[in-house]
Amino acid sequence: ETGVTQTPRHLVMGMTNKKSLKCEQHLGHNAMYWYKQSAKKPLELMFVYNFKEQTENNSVPSRFSPECPNSSHLFLHLHTLQPEDSALYLCASSTYRDNTEAFFGQGTRLTVV
Amino acid sequence: GQNIDQPTEMTATEGAIVQINCTYQTSGFNGLFWYQQHAGEAPTFLSYNVLDGLEEKGRFSSFLSRSKGYSYLLLKELQMKDSASYLCAVRDKGTALIFGKGTTLSVSS
Repeated sequence: ETGVTQTPRHLVMGMTNKKSLKCEQHLGHNAMYWYKQSAKKPLELMFVYNFKEQTENNSVPSRFSPECPNSSHLFLHLHTLQPEDSALYLCASSTYRDNTEAFFGQGTRLTVV
Repeated sequence: GQNIDQPTEMTATEGAIVQINCTYQTSGFNGLFWYQQHAGEAPTFLSYNVLDGLEEKGRFSSFLSRSKGYSYLLLKELQMKDSASYLCAVRDKGTALIFGKGTTLSVSS
């Protein structure tokens, strides 16, 4: 238990479907992140939210749409994905201080068919 | 640009000591982090360095040289449960961490 909870843990979706990933943290953090983890590649930072405001979008395709309604919840809305988008999607959170680590959720294993 | 390099794979035996190296080139530097990730699980925090030198935490130690853009994670008295991926990450600016590809460590008996 890391204090960061992601649902669902596994998701299979077709290329024409729309689905959402959910992340919730109970650590009192004010920064939240989405990362993508594919085989043989480093964890790729997708989006950063600080105090509910998006501060980074690392050239992520528009078929991925984040939403941060409050400092405890983060969503990733998915639509018209491609098979190469299949990966482990990890949510993380941290305080807004340099010397603190980020805490990760267990991730959602996404398969696009 | 940003680049974080670490070896892809390493092997070691129980009871041994292993050193996992990490070199980085980033636009800024606000700390270097090491994480452990077992297969199918979330990355978990191991250590943090922001000043040059060695930080020790039980069987794990981490070293940083900012002038060389270099860090290592030292694991002593290896156990089978230490078989995992070890991720080196840099906080260059803002709050987000930038990760290397990770080093998969296999510990055998």
